[in-house]
Amino acid sequence: GAVVSQHPSRVICKSGTSVKIECRSLDFQATTMFWYRQFPKQSLMLMATSNEGSKATYEQGVEKDKFLINHASLTLSTLTVTSAHPEDSSFYICSARDKASGQYFGPGTRLTVT
Amino acid sequence: GEDVEQSLFLSVREGDSSVINCTYTDSSSTYLYWYKQEPGAGLQLLTYIFSNMDMKQDQRLTVLLNKKDKHLSLRIADTQTGDSAIYFCAGVTSGTYKYIFGTGTRLKVLA
Repeated sequence: GAVVSQHPSRVICKSGTSVKIECRSLDFQATTMFWYRQFPKQSLMLMATSNEGSKATYEQGVEKDKFLINHASLTLSTLTVTSAHPEDSSFYICSARDKASGQYFGPGTRLTVT
Repeated sequence: GEDVEQSLFLSVREGDSSVINCTYTDSSSTYLYWYKQEPGAGLQLLTYIFSNMDMKQDQRLTVLLNKKDKHLSLRIADTQTGDSAIYFCAGVTSGTYKYIFGTGTRLKVLA
């Protein structure tokens, strides 16, 4: 089946720094990717829809200047958490949509901001 | 917006059946999914059902959909300790491909 990878799987960064998370579709092209955030013991909340070659669409309440999304190719979307703070610590999961067969989730990236 | 609710916890004995319930408010979802998440891990797709179906069975898993009551359930037959995890239902809004996840049910299987 289709595979979506995320890199890194875990990252620890200092408060005030920026961190980039990559989401790749390994064996299919994804014109649309999605970024979700999951706080401990909570559900996944959609943050934004990433469209290849155009600007991302952010959900209400998500700061676009803080969570920068770039979908520069049909197999890669990146999420950059800028000026990270401890409250940004979370599990970030991406999904990629294959037009032919559906949507697939990545394994997630655990971000810890100290 | 869409609200998707699940009971928070379920505890069953090994070998028994588990039934995890999900209620939703928006009836426009085209597909409804069940995912499993083990501690510290990503999502594993278990099964899904089209909105025009009432039931789907896949080995130990049975999904029931009651559109009138906006109720979805997942039955796991012969529950094993390896089934202990958090289970999420999710609906996909027609045309947007956005997943709306339920609140999650933590299943604990007792040996």
